Amino acid sequence: EAGVAQSPRYKIIEKRQSVAFWCNPISGHATLYWYQQILGQGPKLLIQFQNNGVVDDSQLPKDRFSAERLKGVDSTLKIQPAKLEDSAVYLCASSFREGTSIRTDTQYFGPGTRLTVL
Amino acid sequence: GDSVTQMEGPVTLSEEAFLTINCTYTATGYPSPFWYVQYPGEGLQLLLKATKADDKGSNKGFEATYRKETTSFHLEKGSVQVSDSAVYFCALSDPAEGGKLIFGQGTELSVKP
Repeated sequence: EAGVAQSPRYKIIEKRQSVAFWCNPISGHATLYWYQQILGQGPKLLIQFQNNGVVDDSQLPKDRFSAERLKGVDSTLKIQPAKLEDSAVYLCASSFREGTSIRTDTQYFGPGTRLTVL
Repeated sequence: GDSVTQMEGPVTLSEEAFLTINCTYTATGYPSPFWYVQYPGEGLQLLLKATKADDKGSNKGFEATYRKETTSFHLEKGSVQVSDSAVYFCALSDPAEGGKLIFGQGTELSVKP
């Protein structure tokens, strides 16, 4: 089975520029997550989708970050304008096949996009 | 909200040494604990998990037992190899928090030949 796909793998931008990341989850996975992993820290959830609806975006800096999940499959995460502190790895994960407990279900992670803001 | 605390790294061991990485948590609901591993240059991979109290998860020689009474999920391996060098993350999924994973800060393990 194909894993979670993300692109690009690396991105370098100047502060105040905009950037977008793309994620394609594992086929059949209803839930999609975007996490931010700052160097030396564990990943932190930015936003969680169930199909194409938002379940949790409480930690998303909405003045600059936005995300959408079209038709309940692919997702894009955008930052506009970027700040120096946005330098991090952005991870996409998917989970929650139908009939699986949300508590015990495994999240599968993509390779991540490493963003450097100069 | 929920939180996860794990042993600070880096941890450096010789090959065939015994490994323990401590992980404790606080949670409002009935969570499930996980261990994820990140090998150099690769993405996060599930190493093992437990689904109920006193369950033992195991994979690739690693083990961890879900101790609800001590809110812990310590990772152990009897004999580490150089190929185990990676960053290990303890994480928690709590239905009271919507099923998102809450991660510890990660523990870097370096195994020397």
